Amino acid sequence: EAQVTQNPRYLITVTGKKLTVTCSQNMNHEYMSWYRQDPGLGLRQIYYSMNVEVTDKGDVPEGYKVSRKEKRNFPLILESPSPNQTSLYFCASSLAGDYEQYFGPGTRLTVT
Amino acid sequence: AQKITQTQPGMFVQEKEAVTLDCTYDTSDPSYGLFWYKQPSSGEMIFLIYQGSYDQQNATEGRYSLNFQKARKSANLVISASQLGDSAMYFCAMRGPGNTPLVFGKGTRLSVIA
Repeated sequence: EAQVTQNPRYLITVTGKKLTVTCSQNMNHEYMSWYRQDPGLGLRQIYYSMNVEVTDKGDVPEGYKVSRKEKRNFPLILESPSPNQTSLYFCASSLAGDYEQYFGPGTRLTVT
Repeated sequence: AQKITQTQPGMFVQEKEAVTLDCTYDTSDPSYGLFWYKQPSSGEMIFLIYQGSYDQQNATEGRYSLNFQKARKSANLVISASQLGDSAMYFCAMRGPGNTPLVFGKGTRLSVIA
């Protein structure tokens, strides 16, 4: 089944404790991206990647890191999480930048 | 900069009726794509329909159609014969040429009433 998977689905952590949210797709898509969704703000792009070893900032990259060492994986790293990073995070992938994106199920992160 | 505006925070529609969800956009790029996504209460984002700026005809996908009015910069989603399962948040999104970020509106919550 073609899909985008994210882990974990739910995470509660404390300020400053490094965490990684994994994202994997099995559709051989070149383009992958991360979004955060906050009430009243819609979805905002954090980072995106056009291909292996190619990443770029989206609209809200501060406090996040990403890497793209393999085509199928695009982890999101929070080196020192803060409460304002409490949000619902989505990973998405597509054939290319201007194709429709397929979203993962979301990761609900709470930073206390 | 690109911008998407969805002016209807919430909408109600009777089951089996049609409903239009509004979306206006702003861009200076001649080439762009417009997308609609559905987010049910379970949280996942479901792609519904796509319209390219150079497409001559309005996009349709089953009960979904996109009323694309380029001069007015609007890309309204029309859902025909609403079903209870259509109750969800609906997001309009836009992408410019190349690898510019996908920009989302703030969404419209649709409630279908039996």
